[in-house]
Amino acid sequence: AQTVTQSQPEMSVQEAETVTLSCTYDTSESDYYLFWYKQPPSRQMILVIRQEAYKQQNATENRFSVNFQKAAKSFSLKISDSQLGDAAMYFCAYRANAGGTSYGKLTFGQGTILTVHP
Amino acid sequence: KAGVTQTPRYLIKTRGQQVTLSCSPISGHRSVSWYQQTPGQGLQFLFEYFSETQRNKGNFPGRFSGRQFSNSRSEMNVSTLELGDSALYLCASSLKTNTEAFFGQGTRLTVV
Repeated sequence: AQTVTQSQPEMSVQEAETVTLSCTYDTSESDYYLFWYKQPPSRQMILVIRQEAYKQQNATENRFSVNFQKAAKSFSLKISDSQLGDAAMYFCAYRANAGGTSYGKLTFGQGTILTVHP
Repeated sequence: KAGVTQTPRYLIKTRGQQVTLSCSPISGHRSVSWYQQTPGQGLQFLFEYFSETQRNKGNFPGRFSGRQFSNSRSEMNVSTLELGDSALYLCASSLKTNTEAFFGQGTRLTVV
């Protein structure tokens, strides 16, 4: 079974600084996707960034970038120039690109609460 | 383009009752999946529907069921509610089964 681990229950950062959130996962699949979702107090899960396992290039979306280390099964999220609006719970998630018991299933980590200080 | 819509946003039910939650996916999306979020267990996968067929189910008791209609709208039902069913229930839709999922705002269910 796939597992996703976020070892940092809470992180904090000063506005305009950079912060990195960690995520490790375990899988025997070779074709999969990794995601970072943000859940603000409104509770809506918002997709921040996605990474396809077969792509070696790290994904980037504006101030958000990932460091994907496939061999180490590590998938960290870097937030640059942090803003007050970045404060939220961040979830790392895994989805196999396969059928059967993988259909539609996202496996989530436990989440990291990010606080941004002005 | 409208997002994923879940109704109702909040529900309070009594133990032993049943409840039905609704999810309208993004137009054109055919896959709908459901998740339960609790402080203790985190986010757990309930089931996934694609073109009216349940294609995957998480490790939940049979009291949890769902269905999908021809317009891709989905409902989930929980019968004989227990206190432990109190949670945020999130619905997500995808264009296809394993593309990125877009979530609704959730339904907060409280069982008293």
